[in-house]
Amino acid sequence: GIQVEQSPPDLILQEGANSTLRCNFSDSVNNLQWFHQNPWGQLINLFYIPSGTKQNGRLSATTVATERYSLLYISSSQTTDSGVYFCAVGGQAGTALIFGKGTTLSVSS
Amino acid sequence: KAGVTQTPRYLIKTRGQQVTLSCSPISGHRSVSWYQQTPGQGLQFLFEYFSETQRNKGNFPGRFSGRQFSNSRSEMNVSTLELGDSALYLCASSRYSGSYEQYFGPGTRLTVT
Repeated sequence: GIQVEQSPPDLILQEGANSTLRCNFSDSVNNLQWFHQNPWGQLINLFYIPSGTKQNGRLSATTVATERYSLLYISSSQTTDSGVYFCAVGGQAGTALIFGKGTTLSVSS
Repeated sequence: KAGVTQTPRYLIKTRGQQVTLSCSPISGHRSVSWYQQTPGQGLQFLFEYFSETQRNKGNFPGRFSGRQFSNSRSEMNVSTLELGDSALYLCASSRYSGSYEQYFGPGTRLTVT
């Protein structure tokens, strides 16, 4: 099955810093989503981005499907950005999302 | 528009018991998927239901089962609970089955003692 690798596993930043999270996947995908898991466990949708580039405020994402990677950019980070960021992909077989192990981001003031 | 809802939010059960978790998708969404999250295994796909039919199943034992009703609400059942079933169970809905954006509920945290 498809393998999803996220890097770095942990990231510690000062408020105001920028960061880039990476997601590599091992096969072609029909779906790619980025999520932020809040402290209570809920997965919050950030981007649905099987290809191309999208921006939403301080966050943006780029997926280069032909090279099998996606990047999530966080600019001017805030303490509320802390948490775990997951990349999840869906292959040819259908709806099932395959998740990476996540990047744990800690932003301090 | 209301999001995905899951009940109950927290549950404590004893080994050997069975449990039923419920998920109501976003209005108009017909696909419901279930995922298990544990510290050791991360987030893993359990199964997907669309139009009351199981469309896809992950690599879990037969003790894990589910169903979907005509209003798209879904339930999952775990029989003969084991300690290793302690996890956060997340439900996701999407408009259709396939490569559509999925939206997750708040989860049910199950503890098996």
